[in-house]
Amino acid sequence: ELKVEQNPLFLSMQEGKNYTIYCNYSTTSDRLYWYRQDPGKSLESLFVLLSNGAVKQEGRLMASLDTKARLSTLHITAAVHDLSATYFCAVVPPNTDKLIFGTGTRLQVFP
Amino acid sequence: DTAVSQTPKYLVTQMGNDKSIKCEQNLGHDTMYWYKQDSKKFLKIMFSYNNKELIINETVPNRFSPKSPDKAHLNLHINSLELGDSAVYFCASSPGMSYEQYFGPGTRLTVT
Repeated sequence: ELKVEQNPLFLSMQEGKNYTIYCNYSTTSDRLYWYRQDPGKSLESLFVLLSNGAVKQEGRLMASLDTKARLSTLHITAAVHDLSATYFCAVVPPNTDKLIFGTGTRLQVFP
Repeated sequence: DTAVSQTPKYLVTQMGNDKSIKCEQNLGHDTMYWYKQDSKKFLKIMFSYNNKELIINETVPNRFSPKSPDKAHLNLHINSLELGDSAVYFCASSPGMSYEQYFGPGTRLTVT
């Protein structure tokens, strides 16, 4: 069964700093997603990564995918308070349509 | 315009009761899903339907029964509610396999 692990689980960082969240998965996957969830809110799609070496950027967030290492990273550049949220990666096993979510990384950005 | 909507947003009920959560999407998508997010924020798929046909049925107690009257609606009925059913339930939809899923606002179910 496909397992998805994220680390760290909790990240407290100062504004202006850079950091990376890691997402490892255990078997081959066709697609990987990154979602953001604010407290008490729904999941907002950030990135869809479809192929090995894929890199996508939006504002201060950049996501990449290495399918050979079964690893995705979400890099945060010059963090700001508005980025405080929980970030989930989710992987789709081959020949299915279900999202297998990682444990989530709760990010807190402080002044 | 709300793309994926759920009702109710909050549901508080007692053990043993039967309750339903409704989901509607106006995106014209063919596939709909139910996910459960527990108190530790862990998200797990429960069911998916494609054009009213059940596609995914994860290991979920048979007290949970999804129903799709048409491809724009996927409701979740829960019988004999238990304390462990307390969670946030998210509905999602997508145009089909291999496409991105769009999530509803969630229904917070509290069983007392």
